Amino acid sequence: NAGVTQTPKFQVLKTGQSMTLQCAQDMNHEYMSWYRQDPGMGLRLIHYSVGAGITDQGEVPNGYNVSRSTTEDFPLRLLSAAPSQTSVYFCASVPQGSSGYTFGSGTRLTVV
Amino acid sequence: DAKTTQPTSMDCAEGRAANLPCNHSTISGNEYVYWYRQIHSQGPQYIIHGLKNNETNEMASLIITEDRKSSTLILPHATLRDTAVYYCIVRVAGSGGSNYKLTFGKGTLLTVNP
Repeated sequence: NAGVTQTPKFQVLKTGQSMTLQCAQDMNHEYMSWYRQDPGMGLRLIHYSVGAGITDQGEVPNGYNVSRSTTEDFPLRLLSAAPSQTSVYFCASVPQGSSGYTFGSGTRLTVV
Repeated sequence: DAKTTQPTSMDCAEGRAANLPCNHSTISGNEYVYWYRQIHSQGPQYIIHGLKNNETNEMASLIITEDRKSSTLILPHATLRDTAVYYCIVRVAGSGGSNYKLTFGKGTLLTVNP
């Protein structure tokens, strides 16, 4: 198992550009989520999904869209990048029940 | 989810046990205690979790007080590679989207010294 795979690892965007951060898991986990982490802070939940076709907003959803067409993939779209979206983005997945989450290695995004 | 309180930072000598406390005085009866760590901006890593009983795995031990209002993560023989931010999180485990949210605080920066 590869676990949770995030691509790209690094990205620089210009203000106003759009892009998609990819997240894929091969563990057949029902639940997937996206977090962002700003310097010196804990992770904040952006969006999450409890299964294919079902998504919901987290703590900081503005400026981001998600979709879940398959169990494996949960892409995060930045609609119009802003400098405030400069952050490290982590994708995570977990099966139903009490297991711990598996996190990806992160995407480091800089918006200039 | 219940809030947790952790010390901002702790030091530990290499080879000694590291005991990381967490206070979760408002925990509900169906909330589990989870511990994660994050090494130098890598993705968080799951360590251990428990409901009522003490738990042990290959990484650590989790001691939960009888009233469940606090817990301690124990790394029995800390190494330099255990230097990380450790997060204590409580959440309900079960079906339902909101049960799967993790609320991260700032955690405890554990520094293991040679």
